[in-house]
Amino acid sequence: KNQVEQSPQSLIILEGKNCTLQCNYTVSPFSNLRWYKQDTGRGPVSLTIMTFSENTKSNGRYTATLDADTKQSSLHITASQLSDSASYICVVRNDYKLSFGAGTTVTVRA
Amino acid sequence: ETGVTQTPRHLVMGMTNKKSLKCEQHLGHNAMYWYKQSAKKPLELMFVYNFKEQTENNSVPSRFSPECPNSSHLFLHLHTLQPEDSALYLCASSQEPGQEDYGYTFGSGTRLTVV
Repeated sequence: KNQVEQSPQSLIILEGKNCTLQCNYTVSPFSNLRWYKQDTGRGPVSLTIMTFSENTKSNGRYTATLDADTKQSSLHITASQLSDSASYICVVRNDYKLSFGAGTTVTVRA
Repeated sequence: ETGVTQTPRHLVMGMTNKKSLKCEQHLGHNAMYWYKQSAKKPLELMFVYNFKEQTENNSVPSRFSPECPNSSHLFLHLHTLQPEDSALYLCASSQEPGQEDYGYTFGSGTRLTVV
């Protein structure tokens, strides 16, 4: 069983709307959690990184949250744009290894 | 561009062919990685090189053969592949693994189709 589970697997939203992606993990011990954005035909690009002591971190219209007690993270996209259409991957690191989620595919429609 | 360049971007090969994927980075990183990305699945780590030395081989079949001549270049040699090997192959680089907070820089990948 994968140690990083993402939901939903995919979603479609209208331009200008908000959405929230979920990441639940069982990785232990926890070192940090990153959200990556992967455009079609490109490699993943880091959006945010969160360590144990951080609850919220923003990068423009992207806001990530972390609850280390429940081992949950979310990525909120505000006022979505067509360019937000991509796959979003949650990656959790312990002391020596990275664990990847399968990603959530977001499609933004005009 | 991210600083990690992969060629070719697309590759179609027969099961009896031999081909190579190339990755190049000029970020001053010392670690390089090969990942396999299949649809709807998490990235799978294949190989790790740190200072040109292979430090991890994740039970990858021998039909995949990596080569790292220096810290800036990484190759993946392919031979007698199977259709299930069709996937996006991503190269990444980073500072040395094991540092508290390192991040990856990924290339754009090679979309491989085995026919």
